[in-house]
Amino acid sequence: QSALTQPPSASGAPGQSVTISCTGTSSDVGRYNYVSWYQLHPGKAPKLMIYDVTKRPSGVPDRFSGSKSGNTASLTVSGLQAEDEADYYCSSYATTTYVFGTGTKVTVL
Amino acid sequence: QVQLQESGPGLVKPAETLSLTCSVSGYSISSGYYWSWVRQPPGKELEWIATIHHTGTSYYNPSLQSRVTISVDASKNQFSLRLTSVTAADTATYYCARYCVGGRCPGTYFFDYWGLGTLVIVSS
Repeated sequence: QSALTQPPSASGAPGQSVTISCTGTSSDVGRYNYVSWYQLHPGKAPKLMIYDVTKRPSGVPDRFSGSKSGNTASLTVSGLQAEDEADYYCSSYATTTYVFGTGTKVTVL
Repeated sequence: QVQLQESGPGLVKPAETLSLTCSVSGYSISSGYYWSWVRQPPGKELEWIATIHHTGTSYYNPSLQSRVTISVDASKNQFSLRLTSVTAADTATYYCARYCVGGRCPGTYFFDYWGLGTLVIVSS
């Protein structure tokens, strides 16, 4: 099972929006509505941002939203803030296994 | 608040066995949920390693299955990872996490709580 494909980097000015894509296959992203997104800050525990494609855990700002079309899922961060600068990883259930994306570094300009 | 903390040696010699333990606080493992190990080699993506239920049912990444054992000790509220015959490619930050699979979870197949991670270097 190969890693899901994400762009290596994305950036935006404070207040702008950035969208990160996550491309899989018909065996993972395209087959299941079980895509989740994680935020990684150095020295901190990874944080769940989105689960089941579009749902936000309690405490995650509504500036974060998820969507999916076919084999590609997306995470959009609206109204970028300095604290959003981090690495973001998508992930998907894939029957007998669980796959992560290649990761995207989001920079707030 | 659920908290997880990884512990174990930070340096392991090639061909030896890597052993890590995850201590859970704020929630009793025997009350349910699944518990997992995930790793991230330096500069690379996250990789799921294994998942276990408090009853002992376990699941493994097919690419690592032959070398990995996950186990749970509900009496200590801990679960553990053993990875045998390690090589430099196993150098990574190892995270333990709680894994949601429906039931008590609001959704399915995601990691809702993570530890800070522990860096394990494989080197002689």
